[in-house]
Amino acid sequence: GAGVSQSPSNKVTEKGKDVELRCDPISGHTALYWYRQSLGQGLEFLIYFQGNSAPDKSGLPSDRFSAERTGGSVSTLTIQRTQQEDSAVYLCASSLRWRQGIHEQFFGPGTRLTVL
Amino acid sequence: DAKTTQPPSMDCAEGRAANLPCNHSTISGNEYVYWYRQIHSQGPQYIIHGLKNNETNEMASLIITEDRKSSTLILPHATLRDTAVYYCIVRRENSGYALNFGKGTSLLVTP
Repeated sequence: GAGVSQSPSNKVTEKGKDVELRCDPISGHTALYWYRQSLGQGLEFLIYFQGNSAPDKSGLPSDRFSAERTGGSVSTLTIQRTQQEDSAVYLCASSLRWRQGIHEQFFGPGTRLTVL
Repeated sequence: DAKTTQPPSMDCAEGRAANLPCNHSTISGNEYVYWYRQIHSQGPQYIIHGLKNNETNEMASLIITEDRKSSTLILPHATLRDTAVYYCIVRRENSGYALNFGKGTSLLVTP
């Protein structure tokens, strides 16, 4: 079946502009995660959605970052007034609602964001 | 979640076994050991996980010491396509939250 998809694959924007990144999780997966990975760095958690529960936003670096998940499926990550330090690969992952001891996350290919 | 320590890089000859170590000396009884890897320009990929017993699947084997303070991921016959960054992650049972990937081990498989 189809995996996690993300669009666009690449996005170049000017400093100060807003951007929207999209994630289509695997059908039936109730958990959805956003991470970002700056050049040469590890993955940094941003936000987590689980079903209809309030999202865990503890990883969002500033109030310029927000995300929503409509209908429990597609998610959009929005970055307002982009800065050069926002340049990174933004990765989305989804998983089934956890079951005992299992926590396999399936990752999309990422969106490479470049802020000029 | 317990902190993990991995060597920053390792080399392995193609066809040989790659043994990637991970220290997690503060692991708790209900915490699992997970391994993911990230091939260049791709998203991370789940490999294997375990609690106490050694585990094996089609990708790798996971050996966990009896005191659970360390583990080793074994790729029995490494190929060039196994060149990637390998992440050892410790997570609580039934945790639904994000994974803490750390810096991982960059494995280079050479011809």
